[in-house]
Amino acid sequence: GAGVSQSPRYKVTKRGQDVALRCDPISGHVSLYWYRQALGQGPEFLTYFNYEAQQDKSGLPNDRFSAERPEGSISTLTIQRTEQRDSAMYRCASSSTGGGSYEQYFGPGTRLTVT
Amino acid sequence: GQQLNQSPQSMFIQEGEDVSMNCTSSSIFNTWLWYKQEPGEGPVLLIALYKAGELTSNGRLTAQFGITRKDSFLNISASIPSDVGIYFCAGRPSGSARQLTFGSGTQLTVLP
Repeated sequence: GAGVSQSPRYKVTKRGQDVALRCDPISGHVSLYWYRQALGQGPEFLTYFNYEAQQDKSGLPNDRFSAERPEGSISTLTIQRTEQRDSAMYRCASSSTGGGSYEQYFGPGTRLTVT
Repeated sequence: GQQLNQSPQSMFIQEGEDVSMNCTSSSIFNTWLWYKQEPGEGPVLLIALYKAGELTSNGRLTAQFGITRKDSFLNISASIPSDVGIYFCAGRPSGSARQLTFGSGTQLTVLP
């Protein structure tokens, strides 16, 4: 079946603009995670959802970052008033319930560049 | 916050050689996962470990969940050119948390 998809794959925006990054998880996966990955580093946790409920947003850097998953499927990560330091690869992952539910499957990511 | 120390940072090996890499933490993890990432792609799950002392294989890959629950090891036997990539360890801390903490990766280069 289809894996995790993310759009856009690349986004270039000017400083101060808002951006919305989209994630479509594996069909039927209950949990959805957002991570940010800097060059040469592993992914760093931002936030996650079970169904439509945001369970943990402790990794969001500041209040310019927000995420939603209103119908328990597709999720949007929004960054308001972007700054150059927001430039990174943003990755989404999803996992199922039951056995193996801690196994997260990643999408290809969105490369965000703030100029 | 919790950190994972992954080593080595990079490895250059000859095709056919075996490879070992490891991750250590100052705190306990309940789950260890190993991922491989290739250029332009997201991390791909290789092996998941759930019990201290567990040894799990996936083809030429073998991973172990350390008995102290603070470390994990990944071995690749008889390396081939397509093993090239960045290998990440990831741990899920104890308790109900589901998010993963990642190591900084091991860049593997396989020389023909």
